[in-house]
Amino acid sequence: AQSVTQPDIHITVSEGASLELRCNYSYGATPYLFWYVQSPGQGLQLLLKYFSGDTLVQGIKGFEAEFKRSQSSFNLRKPSVHWSDAAEYFCAVGARRYSGAGSYQLTFGKGTKLSVIP
Amino acid sequence: DTGVSQNPRHKITKRGQNVTFRCDPISEHNRLYWYRQTLGQGPEFLTYFQNEAQLEKSRLLSDRFSAERPKGSFSTLEIQRTEQGDSAMYLCASTSTGSADQETQYFGPGTRLLVL
Repeated sequence: AQSVTQPDIHITVSEGASLELRCNYSYGATPYLFWYVQSPGQGLQLLLKYFSGDTLVQGIKGFEAEFKRSQSSFNLRKPSVHWSDAAEYFCAVGARRYSGAGSYQLTFGKGTKLSVIP
Repeated sequence: DTGVSQNPRHKITKRGQNVTFRCDPISEHNRLYWYRQTLGQGPEFLTYFQNEAQLEKSRLLSDRFSAERPKGSFSTLEIQRTEQGDSAMYLCASTSTGSADQETQYFGPGTRLLVL
């Protein structure tokens, strides 16, 4: 069964500083990988996704992530954090359930809460 | 495209009561998912529909839970005889079929359930 580990429960950074959120996954095949962000009491917003191809993917709000197969990692980065980035971030792996263009089931990590110091 | 909507946004109920939540997916999305998120955890998969067919159910979905998507559009999730352990955020997501790139799960705002 697939799993996702986000080692950092809570990270605090100063506004303008760089950010890296760690994500490690376990899955037997090439995974679909995602980062979602959740503001308090809200649903999940997709930041970026990796299905195949270029291992460095760009997302919304200036975020990027790099897929490293050898390390089973998909870390999220941002060069300069804004106060509005304070939220909880979830990494997820999509395990294919059906062959072909079939759907997938998302397995999420426990999340990393980001606090930003003005 | 108005996004995935869920109603109600909040529900407080007493233990033993039945509750029903509704999810309206993005128009023309034929795949619909339900997830449950408890405090301090990531969302956990509950069940999946393609059109009106419920194709997969998690072991988390006990016999007190039932989900339907009668016309392949909106979906309902009912919990019978609620227990305090059912308190959670219930999230709905939808996707369209097509290439893998199109299969991004878009989430609604969730329904937060509190069982007293």
